[in-house]
Amino acid sequence: GAVVSQHPSRVICKSGTSVKIECRSLDFQATTMFWYRQFPKQSLMLMATSNEGSKATYEQGVEKDKFLINHASLTLSTLTVTSAHPEDSSFYICSARVDENQPQHFGDGTRLSIL
Amino acid sequence: AQKITQTQPGMFVQEKEAVTLDCTYDTSDPSYGLFWYKQPSSGEMIFLIYQGSYDQQNATEGRYSLNFQKARKSANLVISASQLGDSAMYFCAMVTGANSKLTFGKGITLSVRP
Repeated sequence: GAVVSQHPSRVICKSGTSVKIECRSLDFQATTMFWYRQFPKQSLMLMATSNEGSKATYEQGVEKDKFLINHASLTLSTLTVTSAHPEDSSFYICSARVDENQPQHFGDGTRLSIL
Repeated sequence: AQKITQTQPGMFVQEKEAVTLDCTYDTSDPSYGLFWYKQPSSGEMIFLIYQGSYDQQNATEGRYSLNFQKARKSANLVISASQLGDSAMYFCAMVTGANSKLTFGKGITLSVRP
């Protein structure tokens, strides 16, 4: 149980393109989903917390207009990197949990490369 | 503020031996939870084990056990009978009652030698 699916796993695109990443909880309803960014050989950096049906809460320094998050249902959250540039290249990973007393379960991540 | 510290350099262990990965934490909240995640080179984050601050016993999950020493604020992960597939990055993380966001340590790289 507790499977989180993230798609796509790999994106390579030109600078200026907008990229949408999906995060789905397959066998449970996730009241909260999280989006992280990870640079090589570093820890995960929380970008934003997404609660179903409400606006995402962004961490300090994360541009909300750049990284659009939508959590339209209890099983789906999306992250859209708008007008992506090479500095946005990174590993993006989502997680989902049922409630505060349960561990976060992670998707497999998305490697984004902007040329 | 809450903080997780993982200071070990890359760790090496011989296959079939046990290894301990260190984690210390800091929080003023009496209610907190500690997690260990494994991240192979493919990138996915795999939940391994959880310890609650009020749990009386140390958590165990198969070959994984958590050596929880509350007074020392440490939550070391013990992997018994290491396997080649255990080679990965390991992250210690914490949530508190006041802050439900996961705070991660820097991670430790474990390499299992045949």
